[in-house]
Parts: sequence; C-alpha cells; structure tokens
Amino acid sequence: EPEVTQTPSHQVTQMGQEVILRCVPISNHLYFYWYRQILGQKVEFLVSFYNNEISEKSEIFDDQFSVERPDGSNFTLKIRSTKLEDSAMYFCARQGVGEQYFGPGTRLTVT
Amino acid sequence: GIQVEQSPPDLILQEGANSTLRCNFSDSVNNLQWFHQNPWGQLINLFYIPSGTKQNGRLSATTVATERYSLLYISSSQTTDSGVYFCAVAVGGYQKVTFGTGTKLQVIP
Repeated sequence: EPEVTQTPSHQVTQMGQEVILRCVPISNHLYFYWYRQILGQKVEFLVSFYNNEISEKSEIFDDQFSVERPDGSNFTLKIRSTKLEDSAMYFCARQGVGEQYFGPGTRLTVT
Repeated sequence: GIQVEQSPPDLILQEGANSTLRCNFSDSVNNLQWFHQNPWGQLINLFYIPSGTKQNGRLSATTVATERYSLLYISSSQTTDSGVYFCAVAVGGYQKVTFGTGTKLQVIP
C-alpha cells in the first residue's frame, strides 16, 4: 500500500505554462518533502514542509516554485512558468519514524 | 553539504550471481536508506539502516557508521532485480535526504 499518492502520473505542458503537482498522504502527517530527478541523474532535494510552512529549500527552489497545503490534506508543488529544464520526475515524500517514504512520482514533460 | 558516492556506477550480472554495491558518505549520518528504482521510475524502499546489518530475503545491507560506508548485498540475482539502486543519507532527524549517484544494475538471463 503506497504511503503517498501523486497526481497526475504524467503531465505534458508547454514552456511558460503553470503546472500544479499534487501529493496526497494516506494518513495525516506533518513532514513532507519534494524532490526531483532529471532523466538519468540522481534525485535532488527541492523543499521540505513542516506544519504548513517551508522548513528548508534548496538553490533549485527559486521564485518559480511554491508549495502549499491548501485544504489541510493535499500537498501541492506549483511551477509558475515552466522551462524546458523543468522536465523531470517529481517525487513527494513523507517523513516516517527515521525513514522517508516516496510517492510514485509525477513525470513532467515541458515542450 | 554531505557527499554521497556509490560504486560501481554500472554492473551487469548473469542471473543467479551475487553482487555487492557500496555507498560512501562524507559525514556522520542519522539516516541511511537504500532504494531500488524500478523501470517505471518508482523508488522502492529496501532498507532503513543508519547502522548495523539487516536482511530481507535475498537482499541484505550493512552500514558501518564509524567508517562512513554502507554495503548492499544481492544474492542469487534475478532479472527483476534490474534497475538503479540508490543510497540516500540525512545528517539529522527529520532532514532532507541526499542521494548518491546510483548503481545501474542489469541482470541478464
């Protein structure tokens, strides 16, 4: 049983468009993370989110990105104006007791 | 930040063979995980092992925290073991994890 689900599984968008990626935890947790993986590369940290606030963000997480938990359940990552280099797999993860559990990912393709 | 290196980068095995994957990290860690990334891109948790040894079927892992390395053993490999294996570490509790560059494993029949 997945710890988190993510929607959509695959999104294709045109450069300059806004996209919203969603993460739905199975149960109520406070710590969440977003990571991304450009094809063929390692997984990179984007941002951590605790109790509805950003607790840490990487250099990648610039003003084009934002995160929120609008309804207290779904956890979203928004990219305001997508660029070709935003094409990647985006993973949501939740914090367990020690380990992190990753969702199945959203594959974003920017054309 | 912490550096995580994995070796070998690529590995080709005959079905039934055994293998050892290595993860070196540059600082003390509170969290070390091994993942298998399947052909669909999903990250499957294999082990949470900041120290000590664990076994799960044909897979086992050992982390020697004082020497800053971890090993993942795969015995009697199967074609379904193919994919990329990542280790990921965190230096504190409830912290981001930093991934290594991965070992791409191909098991051929």
